[in-house]
Amino acid sequence: EVQLVESGGGLVQPGGSLKLSCAASGFTFSGSSMHWVRQASGKGLEWVGRIRSKASNYATTYSASVRGRFTISRDDSKNTTYLHMNSLKTDDTALYYCTQRQPTPDWGRGTLVTVSS
Amino acid sequence: DIQMTQSPSTLSASVGDRVTITCRASQSIRNWLAWYQQKPGKAPKLLIYKASNLESGVPSRFSGSGSGTDFTLTISSLQPDDFATYYCLQHSDIVYTFGQGTKLEIK
Repeated sequence: EVQLVESGGGLVQPGGSLKLSCAASGFTFSGSSMHWVRQASGKGLEWVGRIRSKASNYATTYSASVRGRFTISRDDSKNTTYLHMNSLKTDDTALYYCTQRQPTPDWGRGTLVTVSS
Repeated sequence: DIQMTQSPSTLSASVGDRVTITCRASQSIRNWLAWYQQKPGKAPKLLIYKASNLESGVPSRFSGSGSGTDFTLTISSLQPDDFATYYCLQHSDIVYTFGQGTKLEIK
């Protein structure tokens, strides 16, 4: 059974930084792309970005709204992916999910990030 | 980046109705399109992948069609459990994009 547990969310001031983690199990993590998706309260789903596997040189891509501010990384020895968020804006306030690939039937519970002064 | 335009944004319908939701891509995405259903406070649920393939366990009243730029999700006979918000997702480009969502409400 695929399990995805996001953590690291919290309250941060505009301009600040935060690092989210996603611990994965139930599948071959090292061979999988990992994605981040977010959803602001009452709003739609937004794809944030993806990191591919070692076989694809850990290539990353990002949505235009976070490009240059967010970085996705992974530690295959820990079956964990990370979302490093810098220069945070109030618009980044959202519930953040990680997933194995997209589209996918498997989602975690997400971790809530609030950017506010 | 590819833009996905989903319509309508809100749809009012009754139990037993046949409903259709559409997604249009700003350029061809071949058949790299998925549909999700989401209920308040819950994670999205995958319904359809590769435009027309029904995810395991999803009722057969859901179907998807289309290719290139125009896609539809059809629910053949609405059930009470189907009132939710629906999203399309394109995964053709290296940057993926969700549609803005369609809220299906009870008439």
